[in-house]
Amino acid sequence: GQQLNQSPQSMFIQEGEDVSMNCTSSSIFNTWLWYKQDPGEGPVLLIALYKAGELTSNGRLTAQFGITRKDSFLNISASIPSDVGIYFCAGHNNTDKLIFGTGTRLQVFP
Amino acid sequence: DTEVTQTPKHLVMGMTNKKSLKCEQHMGHRAMYWYKQKAKKPPELMFVYSYEKLSINESVPSRFSPECPNSSLLNLHLHALQPEDSALYLCASSLRDRGIYEQYFGPGTRLTVT
Repeated sequence: GQQLNQSPQSMFIQEGEDVSMNCTSSSIFNTWLWYKQDPGEGPVLLIALYKAGELTSNGRLTAQFGITRKDSFLNISASIPSDVGIYFCAGHNNTDKLIFGTGTRLQVFP
Repeated sequence: DTEVTQTPKHLVMGMTNKKSLKCEQHMGHRAMYWYKQKAKKPPELMFVYSYEKLSINESVPSRFSPECPNSSLLNLHLHALQPEDSALYLCASSLRDRGIYEQYFGPGTRLTVT
């Protein structure tokens, strides 16, 4: 099925560093979502974005809905060890089908 | 409260067994979903129930049989599975009202078929 292009595929950073990842699509979306998944657990919804250009924060996380509606960005500031996991973007157009990104695996070293 | 619960957490079954996965939410959500997830891959949609009716079946083999007894419960009945069906099975729900389609996932059932 269709997947969104997410980059980078993986990141290895030191605790305290900032992190940026993005997600791009060939088609537009009405809503962008960002999830975090810990090993062996289900994805947890971090941020939902509803309008082009929207910038939304959740603690140390900030996400943006791209102006073209074909991309989205997630930033994590001052990373900590519990930020380790896989981050998935997802888009939808007011339907039951979420289109997921390929995932960004984040590893944080103390 | 954005909790979706799933049981069991882990399941090991033989290829001739019949088992069921269960999912429950009490958020008043009107859509519920089953996903299959292989390691290091995003979740793959299997089924969608909207207002307790099956609305999407992503060409899933008949050895997987979904059931939605009421708006809070979702089951996935398993029969004659293959080893390649081993995966993390995720349930999700969404309000599916007023344009709100965000999906909230349960913790998943780790299924191993031997």
